[in-house]
Amino acid sequence: DAGVIQSPRHEVTEMGQEVTLRCKPISGHNSLFWYRQTMMRGLELLIYFNNNVPIDDSGMPEDRFSAKMPNASFSTLKIQPSEPRDSAVYFCASSPGQLHGYTFGSGTRLTVV
Amino acid sequence: GENVEQHPSTLSVQEGDSAVIKCTYSDSASNYFPWYKQELGKGPQLIIDIRSNVGEKKDQRIAVTLNKTAKHFSLHITETQPEDSAVYFCAASHQAGTALIFGKGTTLSVSS
Repeated sequence: DAGVIQSPRHEVTEMGQEVTLRCKPISGHNSLFWYRQTMMRGLELLIYFNNNVPIDDSGMPEDRFSAKMPNASFSTLKIQPSEPRDSAVYFCASSPGQLHGYTFGSGTRLTVV
Repeated sequence: GENVEQHPSTLSVQEGDSAVIKCTYSDSASNYFPWYKQELGKGPQLIIDIRSNVGEKKDQRIAVTLNKTAKHFSLHITETQPEDSAVYFCAASHQAGTALIFGKGTTLSVSS
């Protein structure tokens, strides 16, 4: 198994541009999570899906952030327009269900200049 | 909602010593407590977990203890090695459809 696959690994963009982060979860895992990691705030939950349905998006900072999971093997996190304060490492993780550990991807390091 | 506090934020030990990282949680309904290790440039990796029906779990040099009454749990690493150097995160969640909430992390440095 290739694990959770995220792309791109690094993204540098100018303020105001749209950014799309991608994630392919492990086959058979029915839960998918998006986290953001910064030095100041640590690992913050942004949103999670169960069986492709968004369950909790209370961690999404504002309307500039949106996430979709059109099928069991793909999810996107979009930021439009991007701002410098969005600079962080964004992780996608998947899990086979409740009370099971998550498998994290390698993350996308986003820099907004 | 759940809040997880983790201490210390940094920990330096000599090779062969033991290391202990402690976490407290706020939601008494939480019943799943994993620990993750994150190496530089990589995503967090699950190293051990414990569920609320167990007070202690051990896997070679790593052990986790849970005190549900006090709402705290700890990670114990014995006979530390330089390759144990990393950032360690604790987390908590409960079965009722919530995602893991993470502590702020502990940077462990093991010097030889």
